[in-house]
Amino acid sequence: AQSVTQLGSHVSVSEGALVLLRCNYSSSVPPYLFWYVQYPNQGLQLLLKYTSAATLVKGINGFEAEFKKSETSFHLTKPSAHMSDAAEYFCAVSDYPGNTPLVFGKGTRLSVIA
Amino acid sequence: GAVVSQHPSWVICKSGTSVKIECRSLDFQATTMFWYRQFPKQSLMLMATSNEGSKATYEQGVEKDKFLINHASLTLSTLTVTSAHPEDSSFYICSAPEETGRLDGYTFGSGTRLTVV
Repeated sequence: AQSVTQLGSHVSVSEGALVLLRCNYSSSVPPYLFWYVQYPNQGLQLLLKYTSAATLVKGINGFEAEFKKSETSFHLTKPSAHMSDAAEYFCAVSDYPGNTPLVFGKGTRLSVIA
Repeated sequence: GAVVSQHPSWVICKSGTSVKIECRSLDFQATTMFWYRQFPKQSLMLMATSNEGSKATYEQGVEKDKFLINHASLTLSTLTVTSAHPEDSSFYICSAPEETGRLDGYTFGSGTRLTVV
């Protein structure tokens, strides 16, 4: 069974500082990996996705993530945090998008301090 | 891109009544819809998978008779919470695979906040 583990339920950074949200996956087949952001009482917005193409994936709002098979990781980064980045972030995995549902990590709440 | 419209955004109902949540795919045909439940400050847990024209598949521990899922057309899937109780209060989100040809993504509804009083 596939799963993702997000290290750190809460991450706090200063505005302008580097954002690093960690995600490790477990999969018996080449995974498809996703990062989503959720604002309070809203649905999920896709930040970026890895679908076995380039290992460094660039997403929206300046976020990017690198797929590292040797480390089974897919960490999310952003060079400079903005106040508007404060939200809940979910890492998710699927073995075949479209056929199977996403399996989500527990989420990481990002706080940005002025 | 593919859009799923979910209604209502929020609903308050009395204990013992039923509530229907609708998810419509606006510009694509959603042959499959995934239904998730999210408790406050927690992750999304898959409740069931619906496929157009067939019975839904429920995850272990999800009551089929309480959470009725119907997927009668390629553009509409519904979740009905029957005889709702306060413990059913939660955030419900639907999701459909994007029909991009490469099947490499999902689109989510905006969610429904259900409060049972």
